[in-house]
Amino acid sequence: GENVEQHPSTLSVQEGDSAVIKCTYSDSASNYFPWYKQELGKRPQLIIDIRSNVGEKKDQRIAVTLNKTAKHFSLHITETQPEDSAVYFCAASDYNQGGKLIFGQGTELSVKP
Amino acid sequence: DSGVTQTPKHLITATGQRVTLRCSPRSGDLSVYWYQQSLDQGLQFLIQYYNGEERAKGNILERFSAQQFPDLHSELNLSSLELGDSALYFCASSEKGTGIPEAFFGQGTRLTVV
Repeated sequence: GENVEQHPSTLSVQEGDSAVIKCTYSDSASNYFPWYKQELGKRPQLIIDIRSNVGEKKDQRIAVTLNKTAKHFSLHITETQPEDSAVYFCAASDYNQGGKLIFGQGTELSVKP
Repeated sequence: DSGVTQTPKHLITATGQRVTLRCSPRSGDLSVYWYQQSLDQGLQFLIQYYNGEERAKGNILERFSAQQFPDLHSELNLSSLELGDSALYFCASSEKGTGIPEAFFGQGTRLTVV
């Protein structure tokens, strides 16, 4: 069935360092890969996304890469700040078939000042 | 503010009871998705409605049901509640049909079954 594996489950970095979170998906029909940031008790917020016809996308300190052949995609955060501390979720979907999101298990990122 | 509104924010009820969660999507969004977030299961897709019709079903229990009304708001009905149903229930909306897949989440309903 559809599955998304996300690693690591926890990540601790020093302020200013980079953080990388990796996901692997199983459904080859997936064509849309969003990343959500969730602070404790709050809603998941879309921070960046990538479609299957693109290999890389960047938005300021955040970038996402996609390797369709390997079914891998990754989130890169550079120059981390304490306010980046949150749980990050990757997800995969086939938006031609309705767009339901299959989420990874989440990564708790802690940025230490 | 995502533009997706969920009510109530918190709900405490007893086992065996029935509750209804409500979601109003962003203006113009035709798709509504329901997700359950529990500590041990992460974010799990439950069900999707598109313009009033059920579009996709995930890991939704038979005790749970949903519907989308002509004004596009949606309700998730949970019955015969068990302690394990305690979770955050999120609604998300998107505008399927125009190639815009971004889904935006409401603030969630925290359900506690006691």
